[in-house]
Amino acid sequence: GEDVEQSLFLSVREGDSSVINCTYTDSSSTYLYWYKQEPGAGLQLLTYIFSNMDMKQDQRLTVLLNKKDKHLSLRIADTQTGDSAIYFCAESRLQGGKLIFGQGTELSVKP
Amino acid sequence: DAGITQSPRHKVTETGTPVTLRCHQTENHRYMYWYRQDPGHGLRLIHYSYGVKDTDKGEVSDGYSVSRSKTEDFLLTLESATSSQTSVYFCAISPGQGANSGANVLTFGAGSRLTVL
Repeated sequence: GEDVEQSLFLSVREGDSSVINCTYTDSSSTYLYWYKQEPGAGLQLLTYIFSNMDMKQDQRLTVLLNKKDKHLSLRIADTQTGDSAIYFCAESRLQGGKLIFGQGTELSVKP
Repeated sequence: DAGITQSPRHKVTETGTPVTLRCHQTENHRYMYWYRQDPGHGLRLIHYSYGVKDTDKGEVSDGYSVSRSKTEDFLLTLESATSSQTSVYFCAISPGQGANSGANVLTFGAGSRLTVL
């Protein structure tokens, strides 16, 4: 199975909060990342969290990490139509820092 | 995307033909990566490079080869393209884990869409 797993779709109403979830299997993960991909474009880094932290906040984004359960989430407050995109979580491990990506969650924001 | 360019952006080819995709960076970053993106699979690492002439395999390297003869260019070659290699290919660069307090922050190119008929 996949090392990093995400649900494939999420639909929310504009102004609501969105929560995108991710689970990973490797306990040696050092950093976990969230990337955003808009249609027809490459991925852009949103934020990352070190594995010894349990929360990181950056404006409308809140990342929660439960290392015991190997569960990562991204909360987007006051979701806007411009937040519609695919969101990828990723982990990096000790050797070489290669990133392993999840399948991506397609967020659809309805007005 | 600033500092990283992929070419060609779109290519249609026939089964059995060779294909080379080019990634060019102007950031002088040490690491370069090739990923492929397919529905339901997310991004999967094909090959990566940690320096000139230093490359290693990723999780889906069969049927692909790479070369890095200078810092700024990383080439991905499909020696004999197959329909299963129809995909969107992304190049990414990074300075490595030491540059961002240990995080390995990747910058991605805009992607190259390859169709193998």
